Amino acid sequence: DGGITQSPKYLFRKEGQNVTLSCEQNLNHDAMYWYRQDPGQGLRLIYYSQIVNDFQKGDIAEGYSVSREKKESFPLTVTSAQKNPTAFYLCASSGGPYNEQFFGPGTRLTVL
Amino acid sequence: DQQVKQNSPSLSVQEGRISILNCDYTNSMFDYFLWYKKYPAEGPTFLISISSIKDKNEDGRFTVFLNKSAKHLSLHIVPSQPGDSAVYFCAASVIFNKFYFGSGTKLNVKP
Repeated sequence: DGGITQSPKYLFRKEGQNVTLSCEQNLNHDAMYWYRQDPGQGLRLIYYSQIVNDFQKGDIAEGYSVSREKKESFPLTVTSAQKNPTAFYLCASSGGPYNEQFFGPGTRLTVL
Repeated sequence: DQQVKQNSPSLSVQEGRISILNCDYTNSMFDYFLWYKKYPAEGPTFLISISSIKDKNEDGRFTVFLNKSAKHLSLHIVPSQPGDSAVYFCAASVIFNKFYFGSGTKLNVKP
């Protein structure tokens, strides 16, 4: 089955700790994206990568870091510098017939 | 600076009637527009798209209309079904680069 997996679905961390969210896709897509969704708001782009070993900052990259060492994987690290990390995080890849984005199920991060 | 806006946070429609969800954008360079449907605690799923060279695209009960002069697009769902109840996001991009999402409209279809 082709798709995007994100793990874990729920994640709890103490304030001041870095945490890494996993995103894996087996759709053979070149482009991958990380979004954040807060209550009552749309999806805001954190980072995106058009190709392996390359990535660009999105609109709200401060306090986050990514890597793209493999085509299938695009992990996101939420660092202690992110002032308000509690949110729902969505990973996506694009490359369908309409170049639409396919989304993973999301990870809800709660920082205590 | 929000480049894609959905000004109606919610919409309630009776089953069998038409649902019309609206989206406005500010960047005239956008050339590709998409609609996504999202259930709680899940990732959005692609619904329908339209290129800027078209003004209408239809897929079953879903039709997207694009008015480039008004920088406005809309999604029509006819007939609406209770299973259509979800949050709908519109998104836009320039040459399939970054995608900009609206804030979403929560549709409630009443049986």
